[in-house]
This record gives sequence, C-alpha cells and structure tokens, in this order.
Amino acid sequence: NAGVTQTPKFRILKIGQSMTLQCAQDMNHNYMYWYRQDPGMGLKLIYYSVGAGITDKGEVPNGYNVSRSTTEDFPLRLELAAPSQTSVYFCASGEGTGYEQYFGPGTRLTVT
Amino acid sequence: DQQVKQNSPSLSVQEGRISILNCDYTNSMFDYFLWYKKYPAEGPTFLISISSIKDKNEDGRFTVFLNKSAKHLSLHIVPSQPGDSAVYFCAASAAAGNKLTFGGGTRVLVKP
Repeated sequence: NAGVTQTPKFRILKIGQSMTLQCAQDMNHNYMYWYRQDPGMGLKLIYYSVGAGITDKGEVPNGYNVSRSTTEDFPLRLELAAPSQTSVYFCASGEGTGYEQYFGPGTRLTVT
Repeated sequence: DQQVKQNSPSLSVQEGRISILNCDYTNSMFDYFLWYKKYPAEGPTFLISISSIKDKNEDGRFTVFLNKSAKHLSLHIVPSQPGDSAVYFCAASAAAGNKLTFGGGTRVLVKP
C-alpha cells in the first residue's frame, strides 16, 4: 500500500498562475481532506469530501476548488495564485467519524 | 477564534524522563481527540486518540488523558526517547464529516 500520495512535492508559482495539486489514496477510504499549514501554525481544513461526487468547504476555502470523481483521487485547484497561498498543503484520507486520518507527505507551494 | 490551543510552543526533556504535552479546547461539540506527530518535511503521523466517552487511553509509551469538564487533554510519553523529538499536534473533531481542528503544535526535543 502506498497510502496517501501527493504530487508535486515542491512548486513555485507566479501571482495569477493556476495549478492543480494531486492527491491519491489506495486504502479505499470514503473520506478525503485538504489542509494547509502555514509556518509555525497548525493545519487548517480547506475542503473535504465524504465520498465520490460529494465535496464541502472547510475553514479556509477561498481561492481553492476541489472535485471528487473517484474514491481514489481528490485534486485541489488553485485558480489565481496569490502570495497568501504560500503554504504547505497536506492531503489526508480516513474512514470517517471516530477514525484517524492518514496524511500524505505534503506539497510545498511558494507564490511570488 | 482558536478552538484548539496548545499553549506551550516547545518542550525540552531528558531521555528516559516523562514528556507531558497539554491541549485545551473550547468547543463542547468535540467528541473525538487525536494526537499527531510530525517530523520536518513529512506529513503528520497518527499517534493515539481518545473518544469523549473515555478519560484515558494507553498505547505503549503513549497515554492520552481527557478531562471533559476542564476541556483539557494531555499526552504523556514515558520514557521519552531521542526519536520522539518532533512537533506534536493535538486535534479534535465533532461527528459530522470528521473534520479535524488542529492546535498550533508543540515542538519536543529529547536530549540524550
């Protein structure tokens, strides 16, 4: 089992550019999540999904979009990159209420 | 409004001694609490969890205590080992969606 995989590991974007952060899991989890971690801070939830075709906003969704067409994949889209989106992005998956979440290794994004 | 707080940003402890990490929360709807460990440039790794119906959960060297009336939980690591040096995050969730709210983290340094 690869667990939760994320690509790319690092990316530098110019202001206004767009990109998609990829996330895949092979544990057949229905629940998937995107978090961001700013320096010295805890993780904050951007978007989550409780199953294919179902997504919902988390605490900090502005500037991001998601889709969930399959159980395995949960890409995060940044449409117009801004310096405030410089952060480390973590994808996670889990079995739902009362269960832990498994995290990917993260994508470090810098917007300049 | 920080719903989950870790008031100690760092902790230094001698190898073999006990490490005690603390976490406070404000949302009385939280019913599941978790501790994650994070090494640099890696995703968080699940350590231990506790449901709100319990006040203690043990797993090897790690014990989590929950005091619901005080809205406080703690993680005890006994004995501490150099490999325990990492950032530890407390997280909490309320039932729907199992969305995690994280504290800001405590950096633990275990000295040989």
